[in-house]
Amino acid sequence: TQLLEQSPQFLSIQEGENLTVYCNSSSVFSSLQWYRQEPGEGPVLLVTVVTGGEVKKLKRLTFQFGDARKDSSLHITAAQPGDTGLYLCAGVTRGAQKLVFGQGTRLTINP
Amino acid sequence: GAVVSQHPSWVICKSGTSVKIECRSLDFQATTMFWYRQFPKQSLMLMATSNEGSKATYEQGVEKDKFLINHASLTLSTLTVTSAHPEDSSFYICSARASLDTQYFGPGTRLTVL
Repeated sequence: TQLLEQSPQFLSIQEGENLTVYCNSSSVFSSLQWYRQEPGEGPVLLVTVVTGGEVKKLKRLTFQFGDARKDSSLHITAAQPGDTGLYLCAGVTRGAQKLVFGQGTRLTINP
Repeated sequence: GAVVSQHPSWVICKSGTSVKIECRSLDFQATTMFWYRQFPKQSLMLMATSNEGSKATYEQGVEKDKFLINHASLTLSTLTVTSAHPEDSSFYICSARASLDTQYFGPGTRLTVL
């Protein structure tokens, strides 16, 4: 069974601070995705990383895929209250092309 | 991005009844759709892979006779929760695969079984 360990599961910080969320696995994924989910809604894709070592930036969000394609991180710079939400990493399995989700990180940015 | 809809967005039913949830890809065709379940404060758990024109593939521990999936067209998959019980209350989310590594998620259906 392929598992993704996401940490931390809960994070509450002040506006303006930086944070990093980690997503780790012992399995190799063909690609890894990060989603954000608001309460009562479906997840919305933020980014897909495919190549080992790849770094992608989306405004204040920086996503990195590990060299071995087993882990990833999401770094948010100068967090804002609008960043509050549930962040989910998901690995795309080889062959079956299914998504394996991490436990999620519930992020709260306090004004 | 592509749009996936779900209907209903929420439903309340009595224990023992069946509930059907629809998942539609509105602007693209999807030979493969996925059904997930999400309990409060938890992540998404894949229940089954729905393949157009063939039987669904269920994940381990998911009862195929309880969660009936039909993918009759390239834009519609349905999930029927049969003989629902309170423990089936959850947030059910579908997704439609647009390419090998791209899925678009529906807005979810909140099921409450009394």
